[in-house]
Amino acid sequence: KQEVTQIPAALSVPEGENLVLNCSFTDSAIYNLQWFRQDPGKGLTSLLLIQSSQREQTSGRLNASLDKSSGRSTLYIAASQPGDSATYLCAVLTQGGSEKLVFGKGTKLTVNP
Amino acid sequence: DTGVSQDPRHKITKRGQNVTFRCDPISEHNRLYWYRQTLGQGPEFLTYFQNEAQLEKSRLLSDRFSAERPKGSFSTLEIQRTEQGDSAMYLCASSYTGGTEAFFGQGTRLTVV
Repeated sequence: KQEVTQIPAALSVPEGENLVLNCSFTDSAIYNLQWFRQDPGKGLTSLLLIQSSQREQTSGRLNASLDKSSGRSTLYIAASQPGDSATYLCAVLTQGGSEKLVFGKGTKLTVNP
Repeated sequence: DTGVSQDPRHKITKRGQNVTFRCDPISEHNRLYWYRQTLGQGPEFLTYFQNEAQLEKSRLLSDRFSAERPKGSFSTLEIQRTEQGDSAMYLCASSYTGGTEAFFGQGTRLTVV
C-alpha cells in the first residue's frame, strides 16, 4: 500500500527566505508526482507535475525534484513571500491496476512579513 | 475552459437526510476522481471513473455512498442517511489517462448537524 509522508508538518519563515519542503513515498511504482497548493477552505491548485522519468520541474520561483528510486521529492521555494502562505500537498499517481493520487498530509507554510 | 466545477460550494444538512453533489470536469477529460478531506488531513481517495465506468471504490466508501457518471460527462456523489462523521470537504478532480496532470475543483463543504 502506497504511503506518502510530508515533513515538516508546519513551517514558519521570514519573508525573503528560501525554503525546502520534503515528500517521501513508499512504493516507487508511480506514474508521476504532483505538488499542490491549498488555501484555507479552498480546493487544490496544481503547482508542478513531475513524470516518473523526469528529475525536476521548474515554474517561476518553484522547483520540484524527484528521486524515484529513493522515494523522495522536494519542493524548493525561492525568495518566499507572504502570499506563499498556504498548505502544500504532494501526491503520487500509483501504478499497478489502481491509478489514483495518494496524498500526504501536507506542510502548512507561513511566511511572515 | 473554466476548469473543474463543483456544486454546491457549501451544504448544511440534518443528520439522516440525503445529499447529492455535482462535479463538472474539464471537457474531454476521461478520468474523474472523488476525494474527501477532513481538517488537517490530506485528501482521501473515494472513487474514480474512466469515462462512464466506475473503476475503483475505496473501502472508505460505505453502502450509503454512491457515485455516477452518466454518459462520461458530469458526475454526482450521493450520501444517504448522512451522519456527523460525513462532515468534510468533498473534492472532485479530472485528468486525461496516462499519468497526466490532475485538476481539482473548489470542493463542496458538507456540514451535518
